[in-house]
Order: sequence, then C-alpha cells, then structure tokens
Amino acid sequence: ETGVTQTPRHLVMGMTNKKSLKCEQHLGHNAMYWYKQSAKKPLELMFVYSLEERVENNSVPSRFSPECPNSSHLFLHLHTLQPEDSALYLCASSPGQGTGELFFGEGSRLTVL
Amino acid sequence: GDSVTQMEGPVTLSEEAFLTINCTYTATGYPSLFWYVQYPGEGLQLLLKATKADDKGSNKGFEATYRKETTSFHLEKGSVQVSDSAVYFCALNYNTDKLIFGTGTRLQVFP
Repeated sequence: ETGVTQTPRHLVMGMTNKKSLKCEQHLGHNAMYWYKQSAKKPLELMFVYSLEERVENNSVPSRFSPECPNSSHLFLHLHTLQPEDSALYLCASSPGQGTGELFFGEGSRLTVL
Repeated sequence: GDSVTQMEGPVTLSEEAFLTINCTYTATGYPSLFWYVQYPGEGLQLLLKATKADDKGSNKGFEATYRKETTSFHLEKGSVQVSDSAVYFCALNYNTDKLIFGTGTRLQVFP
C-alpha cells in the first residue's frame, strides 16, 4: 500500500455510540493532520501531530479525541457526537518541512443520527 | 485573522471552455498560496503553488498568478475537459504545513 489510507470510508453512528476513525500513512512523513470538511464551509483544521506529539488543537470539542501511537498511524476517537458533527473527516500527512504540500486520504464520511 | 475566500459554485462549463475560479485572501504577512483539487471519491491533492508576489504556478494546463496588489490567486485553464470536474480549494500558509483553506468551488464540465 502507498499513500494515506483511511478507514472506515463510511460510518453511521448514534449520539451515544463510541467509534474510531483510523488513518495510516506509508510515506515516511513526520506530521499528520485531521481536517473536517463540511458543505459550504472552509476546510477546518482540527488536530496536528508532529513526530507523534500534538502541536495543534483548534478548539475542538472534547467529544473528539485524537491519538497518534506512532508516526504512521493516527486515530480520531468519537463519543457522544451531535448531528452537526456529520461531515467528511480527512486525514493528511506531510514531511513536516513547511512546503505546504499535504497528502490527503480519501476521507471518512460520518453520519450522526 | 488570515482567511481565503472563493467564489461559490458550482461552476458549470462545456468542454473546451475557458475556466476562471476566483480566490482572494486576507493575510497579515506574506504567505504562500496554493490550489488543491479533490476529484470525486478522492482526497485533496496539490495542483499548484506560488510562494511570492508575481509568481505563477502551473500544472496540468492550470495556471494561477500571485497578485499582491489585489490579494488574489485566481485559477485559470484555457480549455477544460470533462475529467477536470472536481472541487478546487484555494489555500495559504506561512512556511509551515498548517494550511488555511477556502470553502472549495465545484467545477462541472459537460461534453
């Protein structure tokens, strides 16, 4: 496998469920990101990890909990979500050299009922 | 704060038509500017970039020029194809990999 892989591609959950999104990158990059993509809104940066340390948390509600166990894997743990959290969640990675070139996965489409 | 504003889509064109997708930015400093493209069912990928004023980024027939005086970075292509149908995102950064994106503009090209 190459690139950035996200699973699952689609997820439907109730407001009381606990689920996780997974991201894996095979590019040898040092930085990983979670973005939220909602209709008619700018792409929203949620979390940034550099060398497995969280370096950015953009005022994201605590019902979203990221985890980066190593430089190749990134998780987004979800619990007690709200319907307005329904969106496409994109994972990305970068070499961490400030070039602005991010490599994105295909996204996980989340629907909260 | 810094931000990126894109024209609201969708932009609907016939094949071989000329394309312009507008992008303007608000920035406190001198950012680099980017266009990313998201094809149906895929993640975003970098299309082109420009790092300073008057630079022109180009790739796959697409071009955009960094205009500091108008704070713009409009995307253009002389002759679009059906395969160009996608969502296009304008973005900026300051020598980091933390990008500020716009809302995206959907392009639909019909044969």
